[in-house]
Amino acid sequence: DTAVSQTPKYLVTQMGNDKSIKCEQNLGHDTMYWYKQDSKKFLKIMFSYNNKELIINETVPNRFSPKSPDKAHLNLHINSLELGDSAVYFCASSQWGANTGELFFGEGSRLTVL
Amino acid sequence: SQKIEQNSEALNIQEGKTATLTCNYTNYSPAYLQWYRQDPGRGPVFLLLIRENEKEKRKERLKVTFDTTLKQSLFHITASQPADSATYLCALAPAGNNRKLIWGLGTSLAVNP
Repeated sequence: DTAVSQTPKYLVTQMGNDKSIKCEQNLGHDTMYWYKQDSKKFLKIMFSYNNKELIINETVPNRFSPKSPDKAHLNLHINSLELGDSAVYFCASSQWGANTGELFFGEGSRLTVL
Repeated sequence: SQKIEQNSEALNIQEGKTATLTCNYTNYSPAYLQWYRQDPGRGPVFLLLIRENEKEKRKERLKVTFDTTLKQSLFHITASQPADSATYLCALAPAGNNRKLIWGLGTSLAVNP
């Protein structure tokens, strides 16, 4: 039973297209995140939602729009894709206030923009 | 500027030896520091957390130390096994903003049989 699942795992698309990545967690956590990991393996936070409220919104182009319909789901929509958007996007969740602050990551969605 | 640095070069060790990985930080006051393991094509997996007022934490073959004077955390794997081969990431939670982890680039560890 997958704890944090994201779809699709792979996404290949042309520049200028719009695409979405979906994420669901069944851990009962109240906080979810989107991270971007670039080709150099640098992991950078993009957004975080706590109980459906946006709490972290990093300097990300407004072509990226997160949406949290409920606290178990966090989706990422990307408009007008650019070459530089190619990366692996990780969804993660945590229970805010838990002792370890541990993040649980999904398997990643590898986006390739041609 | 604020940054987290980990050994950029891959670490190759012989099975059974102790692997030691380093995480250095500058210009942060950490609330805590976490270590994660990442295998190719997978998401990071949490291993250990150490708080700023703790010197050492252990979990099975893993040990983490935290020296806030040196601004450094060391991550040790004792009696290493080939299955320990992976990339190890450190992540720092700044005091006052510990919702936003700051990540190192990771160190690749290869344990040779």
